[in-house]
Amino acid sequence: AQSVTQLDSQVPVFEEAPVELRCNYSSSVSVYLFWYVQYPNQGLQLLLKYLSGSTLVKGINGFEAEFNKSQTSFHLRKPSVHISDTAEYFCAVSGVNNAGNMLTFGGGTRLMVKP
Amino acid sequence: DAGITQSPRHKVTETGTPVTLRCHQTENHRYMYWYRQDPGHGLRLIHYSYGVKDTDKGEVSDGYSVSRSKTEDFLLTLESATSSQTSVYFCAISRQDRGAYNEQFFGPGTRLTVL
Repeated sequence: AQSVTQLDSQVPVFEEAPVELRCNYSSSVSVYLFWYVQYPNQGLQLLLKYLSGSTLVKGINGFEAEFNKSQTSFHLRKPSVHISDTAEYFCAVSGVNNAGNMLTFGGGTRLMVKP
Repeated sequence: DAGITQSPRHKVTETGTPVTLRCHQTENHRYMYWYRQDPGHGLRLIHYSYGVKDTDKGEVSDGYSVSRSKTEDFLLTLESATSSQTSVYFCAISRQDRGAYNEQFFGPGTRLTVL
């Protein structure tokens, strides 16, 4: 079984400032890791994923995340945010080789970008 | 965008009434999932399906049932709705490729209010 903890429920930040959204996971098996974004009144959209290989993963809209196995973390970063990045962000984990592509989600972090 | 629709998109109902939510896909994907989204909890899996007539329980299945009589449709039923089932419900789909993880694609959601 896996669990995901997103350490901040809300992150306010000014436009053009850098941001980091934190995610820690717990698992007894090797994992795949994901970040999803949800814009207001919409479904979830995949931002980026780590399946294997390089621990630094680049996604859409200038976001990136780094897988740190020793710290069981997968923090999301962007060097300069825009107003349009205001959304809720979800970290998710899936056990490697699990049937059905199952996901376990964290509680979400609401990113609020201020002008 | 993945071809996933959910109906209805909004519903208000009274405690004790039955409610059925529909998820329809045009992608012919094998896996379909129902999640509920609540503040602070992220998304939690209710039920999922791995083929026609093949379903299984998720983390929060009590009070819900599902059916999948066709590849393209996955129905979620609340036999007797309660106020604790007020939530936003998301459907997701994914295909199955042997030896690989396959991304889940999400529908637009259904906002259900039980009075």
